[in-house]
Amino acid sequence: TAGITQAPTSQILAAGRSMTLRCTQDMRHNAMYWYRQDLGLGLRLIHYSNTAGTTGKGEVPDGYSVSRANTDDFPLTLASAVPSQTSVYFCASSDAGGGSTDTQYFGPGTRLTVL
Amino acid sequence: GQNIDQPTEMTATEGAIVQINCTYQTSGFNGLFWYQQHAGEAPTFLSYNVLDGLEEKGRFSSFLSRSKGYSYLLLKELQMKDSASYLCAVHDSNYQLIWGAGTKLIIKP
Repeated sequence: TAGITQAPTSQILAAGRSMTLRCTQDMRHNAMYWYRQDLGLGLRLIHYSNTAGTTGKGEVPDGYSVSRANTDDFPLTLASAVPSQTSVYFCASSDAGGGSTDTQYFGPGTRLTVL
Repeated sequence: GQNIDQPTEMTATEGAIVQINCTYQTSGFNGLFWYQQHAGEAPTFLSYNVLDGLEEKGRFSSFLSRSKGYSYLLLKELQMKDSASYLCAVHDSNYQLIWGAGTKLIIKP
């Protein structure tokens, strides 16, 4: 079972360019999440989706957008990248059924550098 | 505001026992998670506590006291492969997951 895959693994992007980070899960989980992880700050939620067709804003949504056209895919788009968006991006999913079924499972991450 | 506190870094010796503490202040509580994250890798689930007490899973145990807003992760018989960061996370009343910054555990031979 693949679980959650993310692409690309890493990317160097010029400031002002746009980019979409891809995330696909094969566990039929209802909920999906995008986090960024910066040294000393822990994981911060960017956007989430509780079910296909719905999305919501997390703690740090500015400069990012998401869509959830189906259960499996949850792409994250940076419309015009800035250097402060340099980070490691993790996609995660969960059953979102409450209790221990809300355990989130993470993809391998995308390391993004904006110059 | 919501806050989770963990020590930034801890050092322990191979074969020993280490306890990593986590204190939380959140708007409501619906469960506490511990994750392990090796350098350059994704976080992986270790344990879940929603009731007070100790949950044991092999060499790892996790304890919760809801009245004190406190949890710890206990690692026994430490191995070099246990060198990693350990993340504490709490579900608040809205089931939003609040993350601590993580504790980097260094194991020395």
